[in-house]
Amino acid sequence: GQQVMQIPQYQHVQEGEDFTTYCNSSTTLSNIQWYKQRPGGHPVFLIQLVKSGEVKKQKRLTFQFGEAKKNSSLHITATQTTDVGTYFCAGPRSGNTPLVFGKGTRLSVIA
Amino acid sequence: DGGITQSPKYLFRKEGQNVTLSCEQNLNHDAMYWYRQDPGQGLRLIYYSQIVNDFQKGDIAEGYSVSREKKESFPLTVTSAQKNPTAFYLCASSILGDGQPQHFGDGTRLSIL
Repeated sequence: GQQVMQIPQYQHVQEGEDFTTYCNSSTTLSNIQWYKQRPGGHPVFLIQLVKSGEVKKQKRLTFQFGEAKKNSSLHITATQTTDVGTYFCAGPRSGNTPLVFGKGTRLSVIA
Repeated sequence: DGGITQSPKYLFRKEGQNVTLSCEQNLNHDAMYWYRQDPGQGLRLIYYSQIVNDFQKGDIAEGYSVSREKKESFPLTVTSAQKNPTAFYLCASSILGDGQPQHFGDGTRLSIL
């Protein structure tokens, strides 16, 4: 079945360093979404990318969708302690069915 | 405020017992979902429903059951057949359509006594 792989699984950074997580799908996606889950919390929708090669920014966060619509990345510039959490990417399955989520990248920020 | 409410926040199950997790939404979403999350793992889909009185199995439906009698409500029962039920259970909802963004509840943590 369709798979969405994320790397790395864990990332520890010093506060102020940059952070990037990558998402790769086994199939072409109509869109890709990113979610953030704070420790002890629930996933919160961040953004949806639809177009090939699309780049969107939210303050220090930059999201990209690959030209082939099979991969995506999330880059955080100058991490802060508030960025701590697990970042998940998710893409639609074939047909009118729910999203498939990657296993997430857990980000730790050392002050 | 619109949102998704899950209850209880914490739940303990005895051996051989069925327990039911509640999920209610007032977002007027047609689609609702149940996920299981284990430590360090992603979200695994248990069941989903796109319309009242209809639901489909997800990737790990064995040992679970659901109902969708009302648009707003999608309770999940963890049956005694689920031998490893300890996990964090998340309910979500969305509008209908291919890969629509999902809104999540705060989750229920289920443990075995």
